[in-house]
Amino acid sequence: SQKIEQNSEALNIQEGKTATLTCNYTNYSPAYLQWYRQDPGRGPVFLLLIRENEKEKRKERLKVTFDTTLKQSLFHITASQPADSATYLCAPNSGGYQKVTFGTGTKLQVIP
Amino acid sequence: DADVTQTPRNRITKTGKRIMLECSQTKGHDRMYWYRQDPGLGLRLIYYSFDVKDINKGEISDGYSVSRQAQAKFSLSLESAIPNQTALYFCATSEQDRGHGYTFGSGTRLTVV
Repeated sequence: SQKIEQNSEALNIQEGKTATLTCNYTNYSPAYLQWYRQDPGRGPVFLLLIRENEKEKRKERLKVTFDTTLKQSLFHITASQPADSATYLCAPNSGGYQKVTFGTGTKLQVIP
Repeated sequence: DADVTQTPRNRITKTGKRIMLECSQTKGHDRMYWYRQDPGLGLRLIYYSFDVKDINKGEISDGYSVSRQAQAKFSLSLESAIPNQTALYFCATSEQDRGHGYTFGSGTRLTVV
């Protein structure tokens, strides 16, 4: 069955360091993968999309990589700030379907 | 005004009651979705609609129904609410061109007692 794995353990990181979050998937062949940020009690907010033919995508302090051989995406936040503290969700698209499936997310805590 | 508006924000209802959650959007998107979120289970798709005449079941549609009244409006109904439908419900929209991100509403926190 299809499965998305994100580290369920919270990631604590010192302010100014680079945070790296991992998303592994099995039994998917996504054409693209999205990353979202979610704050407690709020709806997810779209951050970045990376396509299968792209190795890396950047947006300001954010960087996403996509390795279709390893079936893995990495999400990096450089120069992390306390305001980056949130839960981050990855969402590969579901094969041929034009919709995505969400992972359970990794909670990031940036410590001042 | 928010791009995707959900009402109500919070609702407590009794077992067996019928309840409707409403969603409206000003994005002009054709595609709309209903998700529920439970701790540890993430977001799970209940129903989705790619246009006004297209309604599809998601992975957990049992116990739910939807209505797409217009391009901008997509409502979710619980015909007879049960306690395990207690969750945070989100409506989302997306553009037709796949590969764009979803825009989510602020959610409805539903408690069934």
